[in-house]
Amino acid sequence: GAVVSQHPSWVICKSGTSVKIECRSLDFQATTMFWYRQFPKQSLMLMATSNEGSKATYEQGVEKDKFLINHASLTLSTLTVTSAHPEDSSFYICSASSGRLKKWFFGPGTRLTVL
Amino acid sequence: SQQGEEDPQALSIQEGENATMNCSYKTSINNLQWYRQNSGRGLVHLILIRSNEREKHSGRLRVTLDTSKKSSSLLITASRAADTASYFCATDDNQGGKLIFGQGTELSVKP
Repeated sequence: GAVVSQHPSWVICKSGTSVKIECRSLDFQATTMFWYRQFPKQSLMLMATSNEGSKATYEQGVEKDKFLINHASLTLSTLTVTSAHPEDSSFYICSASSGRLKKWFFGPGTRLTVL
Repeated sequence: SQQGEEDPQALSIQEGENATMNCSYKTSINNLQWYRQNSGRGLVHLILIRSNEREKHSGRLRVTLDTSKKSSSLLITASRAADTASYFCATDDNQGGKLIFGQGTELSVKP
């Protein structure tokens, strides 16, 4: 199956700093990428949908100025958590879709801890 | 937004027993998928069932889909300790191709 990577796999940062998480589709062109957030013992919550070359569509309640998403190419999407706070500590998972194949491939996740 | 409700939220069984998890959803769907997640790890895709299918098998997994009741079930037969994980259903409602996840069932299989 297709491979989606995320970098870094974990990150610890100080409150107030910004953190960038990369999501790459390694062997296919992802027309659409999705970002999810998962708190401990909870399910995945969709944060936003990004299409290559256009602005991301955010789910209700997700601050677009805090969670900046850039889908600059068909193989790379980035999520930047700006001015991170301890409540942003979570497991962030990206998913890439090839659209026409209607298949979704998930990255291994990035664990963010904000001190 | 979360689409699916799953029950039970937690299930504890003995090795060799069968485990059944249920998922309900609210909108019409193209397909429904089941995923597994070990603690702190990424998702593993288990099985996909399309809206025009009623039942699907894959190894020890059996999935049913009832679109009239907007519900699905995942049956794991002859469970093993290695099946211990969280299981999530996810639906594609043809709204831009996004997958919406259910609340999940935490399965514990005791050896």
